[in-house]
Amino acid sequence: TQLLEQSPQFLSIQEGENLTVYCNSSSVFSSLQWYRQEPGEGPVLLVTVVTGGEVKKLKRLTFQFGDARKDSSLHITAAQPGDTGLYLCAGGTDSWGKLQFGAGTQVVVTP
Amino acid sequence: DSGVTQTPKHLITATGQRVTLRCSPRSGDLSVYWYQQSLDQGLQFLIQYYNGEERAKGNILERFSAQQFPDLHSELNLSSLELGDSALYFCASSANPGPMDEKLFFGSGTQLSVL
Repeated sequence: TQLLEQSPQFLSIQEGENLTVYCNSSSVFSSLQWYRQEPGEGPVLLVTVVTGGEVKKLKRLTFQFGDARKDSSLHITAAQPGDTGLYLCAGGTDSWGKLQFGAGTQVVVTP
Repeated sequence: DSGVTQTPKHLITATGQRVTLRCSPRSGDLSVYWYQQSLDQGLQFLIQYYNGEERAKGNILERFSAQQFPDLHSELNLSSLELGDSALYFCASSANPGPMDEKLFFGSGTQLSVL
């Protein structure tokens, strides 16, 4: 059983479209991070959010942390083929002790 | 380039064997983490070391062990290998040991295939 549930598991879209991926848990997070992993490489940290309701923007990527700090979303505007990858959320709680990762959302953006 | 170096990149071995995976953290990082990634389990935390001492343990099997040396590099030893141990093994490093907001920098991983 995953402590963090990510949805959808797989997303295939055309270049220029928008997409949103979600990360949910029944636990309250101390902080939440988003990573992107490309084939043959390790995950790369995109952003960390720590405050409920926080919104962070990274060029065409918008990250939102839920008010209750139990969920997060990643929205990509006008997706490009370079956005293709496995998007992982990772969260920590006092009871978990360490960062736990979700199973990830595989995003494929075709030209 | 994350600055975290893992060797070897690929490893093919047989059941029952023992292997050692090596990791050099980013310059200045004292904390090293080991993760296992498989298709069915996702990215699973195995163990963390901070400045040579074990800091936290996750889902690490008794057949697996790790250590961090005085020069801060780390090794993950996998013994009595089984088919199910085939996976990508990642090392990550961070500047401090936690708590939950540590920023991890991952290496490129070691792909272990047990035949």
